[in-house]
Amino acid sequence: DTAVSQTPKYLVTQMGNDKSIKCEQNLGHDTMYWYKQDSKKFLKIMFSYNNKELIINETVPNRFSPKSPDKAHLNLHINSLELGDSAVYFCASSQLQVGHEKLFFGSGTQLSVL
Amino acid sequence: AQKVTQAQTEISVVEKEDVTLDCVYETRDTTYYLFWYKQPPSGELVFLIRRNSFDEQNEISGRYSWNFQKSTSSFNFTITASQVVDSAVYFCALSESTTDSWGKFQFGAGTQVVVTP
Repeated sequence: DTAVSQTPKYLVTQMGNDKSIKCEQNLGHDTMYWYKQDSKKFLKIMFSYNNKELIINETVPNRFSPKSPDKAHLNLHINSLELGDSAVYFCASSQLQVGHEKLFFGSGTQLSVL
Repeated sequence: AQKVTQAQTEISVVEKEDVTLDCVYETRDTTYYLFWYKQPPSGELVFLIRRNSFDEQNEISGRYSWNFQKSTSSFNFTITASQVVDSAVYFCALSESTTDSWGKFQFGAGTQVVVTP
């Protein structure tokens, strides 16, 4: 059983389109994240939800909108895609209590904007 | 400001050589966690180790060892007798406990390790 699963694995789309990436975790964790990995491999946190509440919102264009229908799911919707959005997007989850902090990552979604 | 610094962008070694990856962090918290993750060419992020700020014991796991020194704010990682399968990008990360940083796992820029036969 995959602990953190995200779909799709690859996403190729045209500039200006709207797309979504879905993420689900079956670990029972309270906190989920979206990270962006650019072409230089730098991992930057975008958002985090704890029990469906937004707790981290880094400087991200408002074209990016996370949605957490329940604590096991965190989806990422991107409007009006731009070339610079091309990257690998990783979903992750964690249980934020003392002694349990650790990120479990999904396998990533390679987004290519043409 | 970057809280986790991995100054080495890329390290190339020949198989069986040892390789040490440096990680320097910055925090005012007394309680924090440090991590190492591996990202092989296949792209997934693999957890290697977590160390809390109160445990300065060095750790060894097979060919991997970690040296945590609070005095120098460093958490270095050594691969002994490297193998081609060790070729990957290695990330050091920090998780702090203050309200502003709670839940925010911050990563260094990564060090690419290339092991050639």
